[in-house]
Formats: sequence, structure tokens, C-alpha cells
Amino acid sequence: DGGITQSPKYLFRKEGQNVTLSCEQNLNHDAMYWYRQDPGQGLRLIYYSQIVNDFQKGDIAEGYSVSREKKESFPLTVTSAQKNPTAFYLCASSGGGTGGSPLHFGNGTRLTVT
Amino acid sequence: GEDVEQSLFLSVREGDSSVINCTYTDSSSTYLYWYKQEPGAGLQLLTYIFSNMDMKQDQRLTVLLNKKDKHLSLRIADTQTGDSAIYFCAEKSAGGGNKLTFGTGTQLKVEL
Repeated sequence: DGGITQSPKYLFRKEGQNVTLSCEQNLNHDAMYWYRQDPGQGLRLIYYSQIVNDFQKGDIAEGYSVSREKKESFPLTVTSAQKNPTAFYLCASSGGGTGGSPLHFGNGTRLTVT
Repeated sequence: GEDVEQSLFLSVREGDSSVINCTYTDSSSTYLYWYKQEPGAGLQLLTYIFSNMDMKQDQRLTVLLNKKDKHLSLRIADTQTGDSAIYFCAEKSAGGGNKLTFGTGTQLKVEL
């Protein structure tokens, strides 16, 4: 089955530690995205990548970093510089192009930092 | 930047129709989307519409688009308890690559 896998589902960290969230897709999609979801605020774009070895900042990139060394993988690192890291993180991919190309989402990682 | 707005809550009785509304500000939107999110899960694509269309129907779902008023709606016919979820609308801008801007989501509660 093709899809997007995010791991782990729940993640707990102490303040001051960096943490990396995994996202893998086997849909052969060129583009991948990271969104953050907070209650009552919808989804906000952190970073996105249209192609391997290239990525751009989204609306709330501060305190986060990404890499895109392989087409299938787009890991997100939440650094200690992120002031409010506790949130639900969603990874998505799409076929890109100028058509409808909807985003397909993983099941998310809930990160709690104390 | 682009803005997408939705009301936060909607409550309907089982068997009734639900109508979830969305407004957006970007006049260059190319596609508009509806997603469903169940508790603790990711977003599931329900349907999407090209901005030059004004209606799309897919089984129990009907999407209406008023491009002049920048208003999008999702009608769910014969609403069931399994339809209880958060519904997000999203828009893709012509100049924004393939990024989507999401609304805040509407929590739909279906009561017996």
C-alpha cells in the first residue's frame, strides 16, 4: 500500500533537547511538506521541499530544520530554539505540478516537551 | 498573505444535511480542497474543485464555489455519526507553488 509514514506517533522530550520527527513516503511524490497543528489555529506550514536536495521555509520556520537527501524522506528537527514546540506535527506529500495535485497526509506525530 | 476562514463548530442531527462554509481572500486561487480529520489522525482528502468550476458532486458530498464572493461550501447529505470530525478547507494560490493554505477547521458533531 502506498502512503506516508510518520514515526513515532507520540514523542516526549525535555526542554532544551533537539528532536527529529521522521516522515517517509512511497508514493513517488516529488514534493513534501511539514505542517504544525495547534488547537483552534488550523495548519501552519513549517517547511516544504519541491525536489530532492532543495527546500524552502514556510510561514513558521524559526526553530525548525529539515533535510531532503532522498525523495522518500523528509525529516524535521525541532530545535531547542523553538519556543513552543508542543504540538501535533503533520507531514504531507504531493505529486507537484500545476494541476490539482492534492496533498496526502501521514497520521501525525504528537510532540510533548516539558 | 492569504487567509482562509471557517466557523469553528456545527451541530446537526443524524440524517439531516450538513453545510460547512469557508471564505478565502486570495483572488488567484486555482484549486480549493476539503479535508476531514478524525481524532488523533492525519487529514483525509475528501474532494477538491478547480476554481473555474462552480459545483462538484461526489456521492453524498456537494461542493459549491462562488468565486466572485470567494465562498466555498461543503454539503454532506444524510449525515451519519461517522461524519463527526473536523473539516478543513484549503486553497492553492496560483503563485504559491503547490503549497496549500488551510482554514482553522470546523468541528462537526452529529447527534442522534
